[in-house]
Amino acid sequence: GAVVSQHPSRVICKSGTSVKIECRSLDFQATTMFWYRQFPKKSLMLMATSNEGSKATYEQGVEKDKFLINHASLTLSTLTVTSAHPEDSSFYICSALREINQPQHFGDGTRLSIL
Amino acid sequence: GQQLNQSPQSMFIQEGEDVSMNCTSSSIFNTWLWYKQEPGEGPVLLIALYKAGELTSNGRLTAQFGITRKDSFLNISASIPSDVGIYFCAGLRGGATNKLIFGTGTLLAVQP
Repeated sequence: GAVVSQHPSRVICKSGTSVKIECRSLDFQATTMFWYRQFPKKSLMLMATSNEGSKATYEQGVEKDKFLINHASLTLSTLTVTSAHPEDSSFYICSALREINQPQHFGDGTRLSIL
Repeated sequence: GQQLNQSPQSMFIQEGEDVSMNCTSSSIFNTWLWYKQEPGEGPVLLIALYKAGELTSNGRLTAQFGITRKDSFLNISASIPSDVGIYFCAGLRGGATNKLIFGTGTLLAVQP
């Protein structure tokens, strides 16, 4: 149980393009999902917390207009990187929470490369 | 953002050796988690610890929740090549936000 699916797994696109990444909890309802960014050989850095039906809570230093998060249902959250530039290239990972104070379950990540 | 201190940063060992890594914090956590991440994938949960002093095993893996609630260790016995990856500790304070604070990671390489 506790399967989280993330799509796409890899995106390569031109500078200025907006890219949408989906995160789905396949076998449970997730009231809370999280979006992380990971640079090579570094740890995961939390970008935002996404709650179903409400606005996402962004971590300090994360531009909410650049990284749009929508949590439209209990099984789906999306991250849209708007007008992406090469510095936005990174590994983006989502996680979903089945119950409060329980471990988060992670998707397989999306490798975003902006040319 | 805040990160937990994890050591060692990397380990290069021979197959069959035992491995130990630890994680320390200046503040208290209610839950300690250990994840493994392989290249190009998301972290996979290995062990969850919920009580101070708790010692939990998952196959060849054993982890303990420090009695002070400020540290945790993970041991891997009789390592095998598929143990290769980056191991992250993560602390959870609890409460409404449920945010995880991650360690800096330990890269494990196992030579057959």
